[in-house]
Amino acid sequence: QVQLVESGGGVVQPGGSLRLSCAASGFTFSSYGMHWVRQAPGKGLEWVAFIRYDGSNKYYADSVKGRFTISRDNSKNTLYLQMNSLRAEDTAVYYCAKCTVTTGAFDYWGQGTLVTVSS
Amino acid sequence: AIRMTQSPSSLSASTGDRVTITCRASQGISSYLAWYQQKPGKAPKLLIYAASTLQSGVPSRFSGSGSGTDFTLTISCLQSEDFATYYCQQYYSYPLYTFGQGTKLEIK
Repeated sequence: QVQLVESGGGVVQPGGSLRLSCAASGFTFSSYGMHWVRQAPGKGLEWVAFIRYDGSNKYYADSVKGRFTISRDNSKNTLYLQMNSLRAEDTAVYYCAKCTVTTGAFDYWGQGTLVTVSS
Repeated sequence: AIRMTQSPSSLSASTGDRVTITCRASQGISSYLAWYQQKPGKAPKLLIYAASTLQSGVPSRFSGSGSGTDFTLTISCLQSEDFATYYCQQYYSYPLYTFGQGTKLEIK
């Protein structure tokens, strides 16, 4: 069955960096675009970034553009999110999510990893 | 960016009730709309995509309708496990997808 398992969250000071990972299994990872979505405590869902199945194109929300980098290693079935210059407002649970075959909806999500930016 | 506005923001209902949640897009998105259910401490779960297509395994009491800018999610006979927060999402503007602010469905 499809599984997405995030890791790498934690507490980091403002201005610091963190790299999140999302280990995928149960499907052909190299055939699907992948997203990162975040949710601040008590708030709604915010789309963060997308990478095409082959890593050829990457897209970012304006709120993270220039600070975050999405990447993937299809040989390791793993998605990454490198987060630099972190701010308090980046505090959130970060989810990786897989697109369906034929639509842009997200049919599988990881359990999330919490990133806390605080001094 | 396309803005998605849900109403109401919160809703109180009883088991067995029929409830409807509305989602409005700031511009036409055809039928490129999904609905998700999220329970506390859990990841969102896909309920409906393409505005009205039920995801596999989702109970038939959930239904979706609409196209263009106005969409609805209806739960025909609320069960206890349906009390959760619901989000709409547009995937028209590939891949810069946006979510509504959420509708919290609570027990009356």
